[in-house]
Amino acid sequence: DTEVTQTPKHLVMGMTNKKSLKCEQHMGHRAMYWYKQKAKKPPELMFVYSYEKLSINESVPSRFSPECPNSSLLNLHLHALQPEDSALYLCASSLRDRDNSPLHFGNGTRLTVT
Amino acid sequence: GESVGLHLPTLSVQEGDNSIINCAYSNSASDYFIWYKQESGKGPQFIIDIRSNMDKRQGQRVTVLLNKTVKHLSLQIAATQPGDSAVYFCAENYSGSEKLVFGKGTKLTVNP
Repeated sequence: DTEVTQTPKHLVMGMTNKKSLKCEQHMGHRAMYWYKQKAKKPPELMFVYSYEKLSINESVPSRFSPECPNSSLLNLHLHALQPEDSALYLCASSLRDRDNSPLHFGNGTRLTVT
Repeated sequence: GESVGLHLPTLSVQEGDNSIINCAYSNSASDYFIWYKQESGKGPQFIIDIRSNMDKRQGQRVTVLLNKTVKHLSLQIAATQPGDSAVYFCAENYSGSEKLVFGKGTKLTVNP
């Protein structure tokens, strides 16, 4: 089992809905990430939080809104999504110390937008 | 374009054989590389990493080779087992960067 927990595992939402994806880690990691993965494609970076501050936004549309309430939690708020936003949304965390360290991923939320 | 890519999108091997998965990268500033395994319905799982001051690193049944001259990375899996069937991604970044970039992935199928 992964040490990064994502909920829900599956989510179906309409284009007018508002929903949130949640991610939690208790490894003491100080960087947290959101990636988007389409079928048969590699994960693509969306956002990075470093020490609870947003450090990277990869030009993600504003209908995706990240939030980092504390160093263990990461949310992704969804509003007015499009069908093409259907994908696997992966959360990850890393130590974010002096040297680069591997990202540890959760098992993702499978999102379907109808 | 993508800075990390793969030579083969699929690889099929017999159980017990050794597997070699290749990866090319184009960012000469990259100095940290990771191999991930992703099984169906799961997130990427860390396998092994290597920094640019090394050219080889070994783990349990896996070896990563780094050739900085030709910007090439490979993952060798010894005595491949059916449980090794998955998609394998290489990923890269450089010191001080928080952006980990993934390659396209290779689907490994192990035949019994």
